[in-house]
Amino acid sequence: GAGVSQSPSNKVTEKGKDVELRCDPISGHTALYWYRQSLGQGLEFLIYFQGNSAPDKSGLPSDRFSAERTGGSVSTLTIQRTQQEDSAVYLCASSLRSERYDYNEQFFGPGTRLTVL
Amino acid sequence: GQSLEQPSEVTAVEGAIVQINCTYQTSGFYGLSWYQQHDGGAPTFLSYNALDGLEETGRFSSFLSRSDSYGYLLLQELQMKDSASYFCAVRDGGRGSTLGRLYFGRGTQLTVWP
Repeated sequence: GAGVSQSPSNKVTEKGKDVELRCDPISGHTALYWYRQSLGQGLEFLIYFQGNSAPDKSGLPSDRFSAERTGGSVSTLTIQRTQQEDSAVYLCASSLRSERYDYNEQFFGPGTRLTVL
Repeated sequence: GQSLEQPSEVTAVEGAIVQINCTYQTSGFYGLSWYQQHDGGAPTFLSYNALDGLEETGRFSSFLSRSDSYGYLLLQELQMKDSASYFCAVRDGGRGSTLGRLYFGRGTQLTVWP
């Protein structure tokens, strides 16, 4: 089946504009994650959705960042009033639910490269 | 807070064995996983250790010592295609963290020479 898909693959925007990044997870995966990766850096957790539970938003860097997941499937990450420091690759991943002693690997999408001029 | 330490770079020749270490400090711990990422590509899952000991998957093995807050990824019979970044990641699950959240290290860039 299809893997995780993200769109757009590249986004160039001007400082101060809003952007929306989309993620289509693997069908049947109840968990969805957003990460940010700056050049040469590790992955920075942003937000985690699990089924109908309240999302874990503890990684969002500011209130300019928000995300939603509609119908338990597609997710959109929105960045308002973009700043140059928001430039990074935004990665989405999905997995089956990870229980306390049962880990399910995360499958990553190809990412969206965001450049804020 | 949470921190993971791993070397920034490792180089080796084809056919060699290389070990990438990872030490972590987290408020909770439910397992250590390893991901591989080629330049411009998406991270892909390699292995996961929840309990102490060695897990082997083909040419790759991963080790965990919870008492030492330490793990490593062992790559054997290195091939050129193994040149990539390797990330360790911890499932914290501790106070304020959900079981789905992974904390990633900064990554180790492995270069394999012919």
